[in-house]
Amino acid sequence: EDKVVQSPLSLVVHEGDTVTLNCSYEVTNFRSLLWYKQEKKAPTFLFMLTSSGIEKKSGRLSSILDKKELFSILNITATQTGDSAIYLCAWGFAGGTSYGKLTFGQGTILTVHP
Amino acid sequence: ETGVTQTPRHLVMGMTNKKSLKCEQHLGHNAMYWYKQSAKKPLELMFVYSLEERVENNSVPSRFSPECPNSSHLFLHLHTLQPEDSALYLCASSPLRAQGEKLFFGSGTQLSVL
Repeated sequence: EDKVVQSPLSLVVHEGDTVTLNCSYEVTNFRSLLWYKQEKKAPTFLFMLTSSGIEKKSGRLSSILDKKELFSILNITATQTGDSAIYLCAWGFAGGTSYGKLTFGQGTILTVHP
Repeated sequence: ETGVTQTPRHLVMGMTNKKSLKCEQHLGHNAMYWYKQSAKKPLELMFVYSLEERVENNSVPSRFSPECPNSSHLFLHLHTLQPEDSALYLCASSPLRAQGEKLFFGSGTQLSVL
């Protein structure tokens, strides 16, 4: 059965800390790995990764994919209280479909204290 | 704002009620989705519409009935729900073909079934 596992499930840090969130997957027909940030209700898109070893960056956030070892990490440097959220990892299925069929992990709850 | 609007934001209904959730996207996308997010469970795909045709139905009970009258609007009709159906219902949209996995989510409807 295809699955996505995130770790840790929750994490509490102080402002300024650096955090690393993990996502491992066991799936067939891999197409892409996506990260979302969920504050309050709406998940918002962070990164989509399709190639191994290529780091994607956006400000203090960065992510990389290892297709051989089947995992991805999301790094957040110099954390701020506004980074407190649930971080979701999902894999995109490739099966000849042109629409997205995402399977999500259970998420990591990040809490950043002042 | 993600360009995907859901109404209502909150809904409380009895098990014998009939209600509908509404989703509207202003992004020019051609695929729309319903996801369910229950407490402590990953987001679960319920339905996918591609070019207004239902292409995925993820073994969802018939008390949930989706409708997609055009590519900008998506509804989820609810009837005779059970208390275990209480959850956050998220609508999403995406383009077809390139980056079809890059979903844009609405803020969800928090549903409570009494």
